[in-house]
Amino acid sequence: EVQLVQSGAEVKKPGESLKISCKGSGYKFTNYWIGWVRQMPGKDLEWMGIVYPGDSDTRYSPPFQGQVIISADKSISTAFLQWSSLKASDSAIYYCARLTDGVDFWGQGTLVTVSS
Amino acid sequence: DIQMTQSPSTLSASVGDRVTFTCRASQSIGHWVAWYQQKPGKAPKRLIYKASTLESGVPSRLSGSGSGTEFTLTISGLQPDDFATYYCQHYDNYPYNFGQGTKLEIK
Repeated sequence: EVQLVQSGAEVKKPGESLKISCKGSGYKFTNYWIGWVRQMPGKDLEWMGIVYPGDSDTRYSPPFQGQVIISADKSISTAFLQWSSLKASDSAIYYCARLTDGVDFWGQGTLVTVSS
Repeated sequence: DIQMTQSPSTLSASVGDRVTFTCRASQSIGHWVAWYQQKPGKAPKRLIYKASTLESGVPSRLSGSGSGTEFTLTISGLQPDDFATYYCQHYDNYPYNFGQGTKLEIK
């Protein structure tokens, strides 16, 4: 059974760093692109970027270029999304997603709250 | 980047109705479109891919059509479980943008 299991909810202060994770199982992790999608409270789905764990090829959507780092560690079948300095506007739910004909599998989401 | 525009933003309907959601791409994308349903507090769920291929387990009263720049998702015989938000997404080339969603409400 294919599963993407994300790390738990986080509460951070502005300026802090954060790295959240997405562990894939039930399939060959290196063969599929993994994407990260942001959903701010009550808002739409936004692509942040994608990573190919096989060779760590990474692409970012323009609004997120330079704002986050997307990576993957194929040895532990895990993709990551990280921030070096969080802002209040980074408060959102973040989903990881396996790309096949759009998205065929989603993680359960990680709620990130940034508040002073 | 290819933009996806959904209409309407909100749709009010009753159980048993037939409804149609529309998604327009800013340039031709062949049939590289997927549709998702999202309920509050849950991850989206794919319903249709390649514009008209039904996801396994999705009831046949849902259907998708279109190619190029115009796409539709139709639900016949609305059930209570169908009231949710629906998103289209293209995957022609990165970034695979979503539409802004259509919220299906109970009339």
